[in-house]
Amino acid sequence: KNQVEQSPQSLIILEGKNCTLQCNYTVSPFSNLRWYKQDTGRGPVSLTIMTFSENTKSNGRYTATLDADTKQSSLHITASQLSDSASYICVVRTSGGSYIPTFGRGTSLIVHP
Amino acid sequence: GAGVSQSPSNKVTEKGKDVELRCDPISGHTALYWYRQSLGQGLEFLIYFQGNSAPDKSGLPSDRFSAERTGGSVSTLTIQRTQQEDSAVYLCASSGATGRTYNEQFFGPGTRLTVL
Repeated sequence: KNQVEQSPQSLIILEGKNCTLQCNYTVSPFSNLRWYKQDTGRGPVSLTIMTFSENTKSNGRYTATLDADTKQSSLHITASQLSDSASYICVVRTSGGSYIPTFGRGTSLIVHP
Repeated sequence: GAGVSQSPSNKVTEKGKDVELRCDPISGHTALYWYRQSLGQGLEFLIYFQGNSAPDKSGLPSDRFSAERTGGSVSTLTIQRTQQEDSAVYLCASSGATGRTYNEQFFGPGTRLTVL
C-alpha cells in the first residue's frame, strides 16, 4: 500500500532558527514529490516539486532534498519567520497510472518570537 | 487571476440534513479533486474528475456522498443524511491536463462543515 509518513508530527522553534522536516514514502513507481504549506484556515499551497532525478531544490528560504533510493525527502527552512507557522504536507504521486496523490499527515510548525 | 473558490466557507447543519458544497475551479483546468480533512488528519481523497471521463469515486466513504461536475467546470459535493462524523473541512483542488502527474494542484480555501 502506498504510504507517506512525516516527522515530526509537530515542532516549535524560535524565530530565526533553522529546522528540517522529514518525509518517508513507499509510493511505487515514483513520479514526483511535492511539499505544500498550509496556513490555518487556508488550502495547501505548493512550495516545491521534486522529480526522480533531482536531489536538491530551493525556493527562497525553503530547500527540499530527495533521496529516491531510500525514498526519503526533507524540507529545510532557514532563518525561520513567524509567517512560517503552518502545516507542511508531503505529497507523493505515482507514475503507475493513478492520478490520485498520496498525502502525508503533515508537520505542524510553530515559530515563536 | 482568480484561484479556486469554494462556498460556503462555513456550514453548520443538523444531523440527518442534506448539504451541498460548491467548488469553482480555475478556468481551463480539466482536473478537479475533492478531499476531506479532519482535525489532526491528513487529506483524505474523495473523488476525482478529469475532463469528460467517468469520475474516480473510489474515495467516497459511503453512498451518502456524491458529486457532480457540470459542463466540465463547477462541481458540487452532496452529503445526504449528514452524520456527526462528517464534520470536517472539505477541500477542492483543480489542475491542468498536460502531464497530469506533474501538475500542481491548486486548492480552494475549503468549506468547514459542522454537523450538530
